[in-house]
Amino acid sequence: DAKTTQPTSMDCAEGRAANLPCNHSTISGNEYVYWYRQIHSQGPQYIIHGLKNNETNEMASLIITEDRKSSTLILPHATLRDTAVYYCIDRDSNYQLIWGAGTKLIIKP
Amino acid sequence: GAGVSQSPSNKVTEKGKDVELRCDPISGHTALYWYRQSLGQGLEFLIYFQGNSAPDKSGLPSDRFSAERTGGSVSTLTIQRTQQEDSAVYLCASSPPGPGNYGYTFGSGTRLTVV
Repeated sequence: DAKTTQPTSMDCAEGRAANLPCNHSTISGNEYVYWYRQIHSQGPQYIIHGLKNNETNEMASLIITEDRKSSTLILPHATLRDTAVYYCIDRDSNYQLIWGAGTKLIIKP
Repeated sequence: GAGVSQSPSNKVTEKGKDVELRCDPISGHTALYWYRQSLGQGLEFLIYFQGNSAPDKSGLPSDRFSAERTGGSVSTLTIQRTQQEDSAVYLCASSPPGPGNYGYTFGSGTRLTVV
């Protein structure tokens, strides 16, 4: 079973920040949180990952709570091309990525 | 190559036939993963290779499924006596060597339809 929970779907207005939450309450100390997205009919695309510190790259920011039981992916200025399913994943000790159903993010003009 | 390449991109087969799916990982990536994704669902782990060995085959759904990897590079996933429930997109991913805290690069997948 997936070790993370996410809302099934979210809407966001174009140009606004999209904030996608994820709960990973059973995460262990050495497990990273990864975020991927999947645009229709394509393979998943890596976005960002983190352990306990907040992370930022050219695509997004990742905010991880101090207790590491949840995180938020932030797309600072969402565009229509950001419409996709976003997966928050907890990587286990065998380097597997255990996938849930993700959040379907719809960016509206 | 520049990315993970999978072939064929689409495969339609008759129930009971065998199929072979191919994955060419990024050069130098030692870890290779197979997943499958049914319509509207998340990814289901199938098997993981480190080099040519498969330390984890726990996700293979039945003994009709097998996979191999040769030369630490190309991998093939074989499904024997295909069933309609095998219809899905089969995705391959690879990652570089190291402690392992890297993102994985996925191919575009093979869409398998069993009729």
